[in-house]
Amino acid sequence: GAVVSQHPSWVICKSGTSVKIECRSLDFQATTMFWYRQFPKQSLMLMATSNEGSKATYEQGVEKDKFLINHASLTLSTLTVTSAHPEDSSFYICSARDPASGEYNEQFFGPGTRLTVL
Amino acid sequence: SQQGEEDPQALSIQEGENATMNCSYKTSINNLQWYRQNSGRGLVHLILIRSNEREKHSGRLRVTLDTSKKSSSLLITASRAADTASYFCAPQSNAGKSTFGDGTTLTVKP
Repeated sequence: GAVVSQHPSWVICKSGTSVKIECRSLDFQATTMFWYRQFPKQSLMLMATSNEGSKATYEQGVEKDKFLINHASLTLSTLTVTSAHPEDSSFYICSARDPASGEYNEQFFGPGTRLTVL
Repeated sequence: SQQGEEDPQALSIQEGENATMNCSYKTSINNLQWYRQNSGRGLVHLILIRSNEREKHSGRLRVTLDTSKKSSSLLITASRAADTASYFCAPQSNAGKSTFGDGTTLTVKP
């Protein structure tokens, strides 16, 4: 399958600071990427859909001013957690849709980024 | 959104036994993927099965898909202690959105 990477793999920051997480599709161009978060011992929850060259679409209950998404190129989407608080501590995972999969709409996930806010 | 629901929630077996996990979903899909996640770690892609496929193998893994029943199963044969992890299915619709279920926590006892 196609490869999606995330950077950093983990980050620790102080409360009130902003943190940027990168998601890259390494061997394909992704017009659509998705961002998920996962709390300990829980499932992944979709946060937003990131579309290259346009605004992201956020799921209900996700604050768009809190979680800024930028999909400036076909291989890179970034998620910025602004003014982070301890309750934002979570595992953030991105995925990218491979357009070469056509109707099968295959989507591949990155390894995730663990954010800890002190 | 398309949500996969795994069953059972927890499964405990002895090393060498087979483990079967099931996934059900609600609407039509283009493909379905299975992922493994070790505690505190990232997702590891296991296998993808397309909507026009009924069965797929990868090493000790066997995945089936029944689109008429909107269900899939993951079979791990000859399990090992290293297979201990949470397993998630991710059904994907044409819109691309997928919501994971709570996963199946597999414990393989040595």
